[in-house]
Amino acid sequence: DVKVTQSSRYLVKRTGEKVFLECVQDMDHENMFWYRQDPGLGLRLIYFSYDVKMKEKGDIPEGYSVSREKKERFSLILESASTNQTSMYLCASSGGQGSGYTFGSGTRLTVV
Amino acid sequence: AQSVTQLGSHVSVSEGALVLLRCNYSSSVPPYLFWYVQYPNQGLQLLLKYTTGATLVKGINGFEAEFKKSETSFHLTKPSAHMSDAAEYFCAVTHTGGFKTIFGAGTRLFVKA
Repeated sequence: DVKVTQSSRYLVKRTGEKVFLECVQDMDHENMFWYRQDPGLGLRLIYFSYDVKMKEKGDIPEGYSVSREKKERFSLILESASTNQTSMYLCASSGGQGSGYTFGSGTRLTVV
Repeated sequence: AQSVTQLGSHVSVSEGALVLLRCNYSSSVPPYLFWYVQYPNQGLQLLLKYTTGATLVKGINGFEAEFKKSETSFHLTKPSAHMSDAAEYFCAVTHTGGFKTIFGAGTRLFVKA
């Protein structure tokens, strides 16, 4: 069964910490995405990548960065975590425009 | 610019009743259209998609959706609701030639016994 695996389901971090969220896919997909999901706001795109070492800003990139050193792995980095970054973070991968996304199970991050 | 509108943030139906979740989109070029389902504390799962061809598409768990270009709609239906259908449903659109997918705000489906 094809999978997108996010390293943590629940995470609690302190304000100011550097936070790494890891995502790995086993489908050899070119495209990978990071979204955050908040009640009433739906899914908002943070960053995406369409190739190794390539990255593009999404709609809300401020306070985040990403890394894609290998095709299967796409990491989201919170440089200095803040309480307004408390959210559900969803990673997804896609084999092409018409194929849809495969999502990971999500990481619920709480910043205290 | 693309946008996706889901009418109704909450929909409640009785078990065995018809499920209808509405989705309208705006796109300047022919889009790819998707419905996803999200169960509590999980990621989203693809239910069905329209890319080209037949405008009525069938998905998993007995759901189907019809692409109506003249109405710019892609409503999701299921003839008979089951308790296990209770979840949040997201409509999404990707325009051909683009990488980004735009998601609707979601509709939470409640199923009453």
